[in-house]
Amino acid sequence: DTAVSQTPKYLVTQMGNDKSIKCEQNLGHDTMYWYKQDSKKFLKIMFSYNNKELIINETVPNRFSPKSPDKAHLNLHINSLELGDSAVYFCASSQAGATLAKNIQYFGAGTRLSVL
Amino acid sequence: AQSVTQPDIHITVSEGASLELRCNYSYGATPYLFWYVQSPGQGLQLLLKYFSGDTLVQGIKGFEAEFKRSQSSFNLRKPSVHWSDAAEYFCAVGLASGNTGKLIFGQGTTLQVKP
Repeated sequence: DTAVSQTPKYLVTQMGNDKSIKCEQNLGHDTMYWYKQDSKKFLKIMFSYNNKELIINETVPNRFSPKSPDKAHLNLHINSLELGDSAVYFCASSQAGATLAKNIQYFGAGTRLSVL
Repeated sequence: AQSVTQPDIHITVSEGASLELRCNYSYGATPYLFWYVQSPGQGLQLLLKYFSGDTLVQGIKGFEAEFKRSQSSFNLRKPSVHWSDAAEYFCAVGLASGNTGKLIFGQGTTLQVKP
C-alpha cells in the first residue's frame, strides 16, 4: 500500500494548457509539500500545507495553485503551461513534531511533466 | 542563507569498492541533516539522518554518514558498493518555516557502479 501516491506518473501536454497533478498520503500526516526537480535534478520546495492551510509559497508563479481538500490530499493545478514548467514534481508528507526542522518527509514517486 | 553543496556531480566506482559522497552545509545553528536516495524513476527514500549525539550515524542499505561540525560536512559512506546502489544521492538540511519544516537540498550526486 503506497504511502504517498501521485497521479499521473507522466504528463505530456501543449503550451498554454491547464493541468492538474494529484497527491494522496495514507500516513496520517498533517503536512504535505510540493517540490520541483529541474532538468539538472535540482530539488526545490514550492509549497507546503499544514492541516489544509498554506504555509510555504516559495516565489512560485501564481499560475501554480495548490489545493488541499483535506489533510490527506494536496493537488497541484497549473494554468497556462510554459516550456519552463517541464520538470519532475514530487509530493511529500510529514508529521509535524516539536522541532519542525527534524520533520522526516516521505516522498511520492514523482510526476514527469513535459510541456511541448 | 542556508545552503547545501555536494561538490561531486557524478561519481563512478567499481562494484565492491568503497564509496564516499561529500556534502557541505552552510547553516548558523545546529543543523538537522539528511541523506536521501533517488533510484531511477522512483521517489526519494530516506537513507539516514543526523539530529544530535553520536556523529557517526547508521542508515539503511549499509550506508553511514559522519557529521563534522568543524568542517561543516556530512559525508555519506559505504564500505562495499553493490550494483543496485547506482542512483542519485541528495544531501539536505532541515529548516523550520512558519509552523512546518522544509528541506534545502544539495545539487545531488549521480553514482554509477561499474561491474
